[in-house]
Amino acid sequence: SQTIHQWPATLVQPVGSPLSLECTVEGTSNPNLYWYRQAAGRGLQLLFYSVGIGQISSEVPQNLSASRPQDRQFILSSKKLLLSDSGFYLCAWSLTGHTDTQYFGPGTRLTVL
Amino acid sequence: QKEVEQNSGPLSVPEGAIASLNCTYSDRGSQSFFWYRQYSGKSPELIMSIYSNGDKEDGRFTAQLNKASQYVSLLIRDSQPSDSATYLCAVNTNAGKSTFGDGTTLTVKP
Repeated sequence: SQTIHQWPATLVQPVGSPLSLECTVEGTSNPNLYWYRQAAGRGLQLLFYSVGIGQISSEVPQNLSASRPQDRQFILSSKKLLLSDSGFYLCAWSLTGHTDTQYFGPGTRLTVL
Repeated sequence: QKEVEQNSGPLSVPEGAIASLNCTYSDRGSQSFFWYRQYSGKSPELIMSIYSNGDKEDGRFTAQLNKASQYVSLLIRDSQPSDSATYLCAVNTNAGKSTFGDGTTLTVKP
């Protein structure tokens, strides 16, 4: 069966510091991978998605970036965090196909102070 | 107009009642529709997916899709306190990407 991991689970960072969040998927090959952010009381905002190694599409221009160095690894980064970057960051995967059901990792709660 | 809109909520129902959650979407080309449940502080988990017009039942949950009206709903029969959560509607407008509504918070009172 497939498993998705995210770390860290929680993170408190000062404004202007760098960020690196990691997501890995087990039990499947060549998944589609996604990064979402959820602000308090809101829905999910798609940040990046990837259909393969090195293939990243950005949905929202901002100070975040994503990379996919391996088939089942997806990394979200920032060089300088802003207060507005606080939120719940979720990684998700799906199989390529018309249904594209997405399955979510446990998430990282980021607080920028 | 938002691409995916849900009841603003919160929705409160007594235990044992039917909870009805509604979602409308703007893109007529949408093909796949999903309901996720999200407990406070946790990540969303898939409850139902539906791809064709009509009803789809899974235990106490029934998803209903009407593409002509651009409307998808989720019915929860015999609601339990454990059903108290935020329910997110998601619509796939392009292969590989989903657009989510802001969610409806459901409280089931014992």
